[in-house]
Amino acid sequence: DAGITQSPRYKITETGRQVTLMCHQTWSHSYMFWYRQDLGHGLRLIYYSAAADITDKGEVSDGYVVSRSKTENFPLTLESATRSQTSVYFCASSESSGAGRYEQFFGPGTRLTVL
Amino acid sequence: AQSVTQLDSQVPVFEEAPVELRCNYSSSVSVYLFWYVQYPNQGLQLLLKYLSGSTLVESINGFEAEFNKSQTSFHLRKPSVHISDTAEYFCAVRSSNTGNQFYFGTGTSLTVIP
Repeated sequence: DAGITQSPRYKITETGRQVTLMCHQTWSHSYMFWYRQDLGHGLRLIYYSAAADITDKGEVSDGYVVSRSKTENFPLTLESATRSQTSVYFCASSESSGAGRYEQFFGPGTRLTVL
Repeated sequence: AQSVTQLDSQVPVFEEAPVELRCNYSSSVSVYLFWYVQYPNQGLQLLLKYLSGSTLVESINGFEAEFNKSQTSFHLRKPSVHISDTAEYFCAVRSSNTGNQFYFGTGTSLTVIP
């Protein structure tokens, strides 16, 4: 499928378990992003990646790990899930631009519940 | 870093009435401005964007937004809303000095009442 996809769409897990959320894009965009969406907070950046093997922290990165061995994939791992990580997670991608002209394209989201 | 303020968290409006969703941002350096729409249980979709040129930008479904540099605002308007416009709307900013990072507002929930 063309575009940006996320899997799973829904996930229930328990406190302390490791969880990996997948993100895949078919556009060969350089940049990829992970956000979490919580009521009253809007979208908050967790991690972003400028290219394969280049990642950087966002404002809420604690408890999360990312990797990017291939341009098209950007998995997000919760090393030891906590209830506060219950949220909706969105992956996004965009073309590279030093001037920031390009918009981001979003995946459909993963709703994660940590019990 | 940028900050983006959407003052109204919820906006109820009757069908066919006009609406304005407000967005203000913090930095006065060169900026690129975006409005995204999120329908229930979906991801965000780009509604419109301002990059340069005319300060009034329009979307294909009747929304428009005006970039006001002196007021550091990018308010979204529609002269006559439809039931199908019910959604969450996010304002976002990218600036030339923050590269490829987006800064999002907290969102405005627009509810169109029949």
